[in-house]
Amino acid sequence: KNQVEQSPQSLIILEGKNCTLQCNYTVSPFSNLRWYKQDTGRGPVSLTIMTFSENTKSNGRYTATLDADTKQSSLHITASQLSDSASYICVVRSGGSYIPTFGRGTSLIVHP
Amino acid sequence: SQTIHQWPATLVQPVGSPLSLECTVEGTSNPNLYWYRQAAGRGLQLLFYSVGIGQISSEVPQNLSASRPQDRQFILSSKKLLLSDSGFYLCAWSAGPNEKLFFGSGTQLSVL
Repeated sequence: KNQVEQSPQSLIILEGKNCTLQCNYTVSPFSNLRWYKQDTGRGPVSLTIMTFSENTKSNGRYTATLDADTKQSSLHITASQLSDSASYICVVRSGGSYIPTFGRGTSLIVHP
Repeated sequence: SQTIHQWPATLVQPVGSPLSLECTVEGTSNPNLYWYRQAAGRGLQLLFYSVGIGQISSEVPQNLSASRPQDRQFILSSKKLLLSDSGFYLCAWSAGPNEKLFFGSGTQLSVL
């Protein structure tokens, strides 16, 4: 069964600090992995996409990594801002499947 | 450019009443369409998806139903709401099985 596990479940950090969120998956065959940001009361928005051949990809202060051998991904947020407070969801696509597999998300709170 | 519209934004309904949530997509054709539900503080649960007009796949048995009367219209319905139907409902579309999901702004449903 395809599964995506995220850790930690929640995280509180001070503004300006860095943090790293983890995603482990058992989706096969693997097609791609995306990190989404969901603000409270809004729909998720895609931050990055990682394919099998990509190890690292940056989008501003967000840097995603992928280790396809260990089936792990991370999302690193640099110099956090109050607006980074949100839920971050890891979503993995299986080749040819219409159904993406969602993690439960990591709730990040950035305090001033 | 493509846009997705979902309404209403909030809805308060008594137990046993009917439900109709509508979602429309503009700027694309033959999108894959999805209905998700998110309980407070929880992950996204796939309810229905559709790969074409009149083609509906249900992922979770419940008292909800979905219909796709037009290519870019997706409707979530219920004849009689239950308390457990309360939650945040999200419509989403993608261009294909491995593509990014674009989410609507969501409907917060409270069944009292």
